[in-house]
Amino acid sequence: QQPVQSPQAVILREGEDAVINCSSSKALYSVHWYRQKHGEAPVFLMILLKGGEQKGHEKISASFNEKKQQSSLYLTASQLSYSGTYFCGTDTQTGANNLFFGTGTRLTVIP
Amino acid sequence: DVKVTQSSRYLVKRTGEKVFLECVQDMDHENMFWYRQDPGLGLRLIYFSYDVKMKEKGDIPEGYSVSREKKERFSLILESASTNQTSMYLCASSFQNTGELFFGEGSRLTVL
Repeated sequence: QQPVQSPQAVILREGEDAVINCSSSKALYSVHWYRQKHGEAPVFLMILLKGGEQKGHEKISASFNEKKQQSSLYLTASQLSYSGTYFCGTDTQTGANNLFFGTGTRLTVIP
Repeated sequence: DVKVTQSSRYLVKRTGEKVFLECVQDMDHENMFWYRQDPGLGLRLIYFSYDVKMKEKGDIPEGYSVSREKKERFSLILESASTNQTSMYLCASSFQNTGELFFGEGSRLTVL
């Protein structure tokens, strides 16, 4: 049930944009996005619910295509603080909040 | 500040030993989760719990058990540790109906 993330890694210069994709083989109720900095716990960024409701984080947005069972995370005008590993977590049951996480995308922002 | 606290940041155990990893949250969350994190494999769900004394298997429950006797506490038990259980273990909690997961800082277990 683990979703597939791409790319596995990306290097950006400050100010550049990035897109991280998450794809599931199962119908999704919600998609979560988390960022983990080295040596720290994952931190919540965003949740996207079936039906289009979205909760967000400034300068970072996301889309959720229910039919394609895909989500994408958009990071615009990247900052050094955006560096870390991004994980999508997918919930295939209504309201269960039982997430299966992808293998992560390592994002490095350089000056 | 909301908090999920894991009892040990680093543990070293020998093969065959019994290992307890404890997690406490102070947010009155119904849901609690145990994940393991390995390089290249992401976070994989071991067990989760929706309520006191309730538990459900995740993706990789083999070799693990859990206990939830109080709402705020969720323990992960390795009955007989093996070297392939060397990993980072992350506890998380959330409210019951779709909400963000709050993670602890992790417990890095090494089994020799």
